[in-house]
Amino acid sequence: SAVISQKPSRDICQRGTSLTIQCQVDSQVTMMFWYRQQPGQSLTLIATANQGSEATYESGFVIDKFPISRPNLTFSTLTVSNMSPEDSSIYLCSVEDLEATYGYTFGSGTRLTVV
Amino acid sequence: RKEVEQDPGPFNVPEGATVAFNCTYSNSASQSFFWYRQDCRKEPKLLMSVYSSGNEDGRFTAQLNRASQYISLLIRDSKLSDSATYLCVVNGGTGRRALTFGSGTRLQVQP
Repeated sequence: SAVISQKPSRDICQRGTSLTIQCQVDSQVTMMFWYRQQPGQSLTLIATANQGSEATYESGFVIDKFPISRPNLTFSTLTVSNMSPEDSSIYLCSVEDLEATYGYTFGSGTRLTVV
Repeated sequence: RKEVEQDPGPFNVPEGATVAFNCTYSNSASQSFFWYRQDCRKEPKLLMSVYSSGNEDGRFTAQLNRASQYISLLIRDSKLSDSATYLCVVNGGTGRRALTFGSGTRLQVQP
């Protein structure tokens, strides 16, 4: 199945700053997904990132706050902008993995704490 | 109403017990169904896909009832290593490829 390298694994950031999270996949994938998992909660989709087009954001998430890049079929970044303590979460990227019986593979996550 | 609903638990069971988790989903156009396992501070990992005919993988059995929009997971002969959060996950359907997650059911298997 696909292997995703996600960086950084964790960070502690000052409020008002921005953090860019990277995901690198070892194979070409059409769609990449970015999720947020707040403490004690399940995963919530932030946006879907397609190569060559703007990301599609879910209700409650906007491009100015969570800009996404998808320069090619193996890489994507998510930026958390102008951070506040409420942004403290785990952020995960995911791809549809056709080699895994139509499951989806996840990066190992970025644990973000905003102070 | 949440799109995917699960009993949050926790389920505390002794080793060797059989435990069942249930899940309902609201989008009748959903196409694919999964159970994921998430260990503490780890990313979710696919446990098994769920098919209408039901499917079994060792001690794990998953069932799907499309008419009732209901998914289940049965774990037999529970092991300590089964302790985790089990996420009911649905592919949104109607061209939506992203996953929708239930809130998860926490299982604690005790010696």
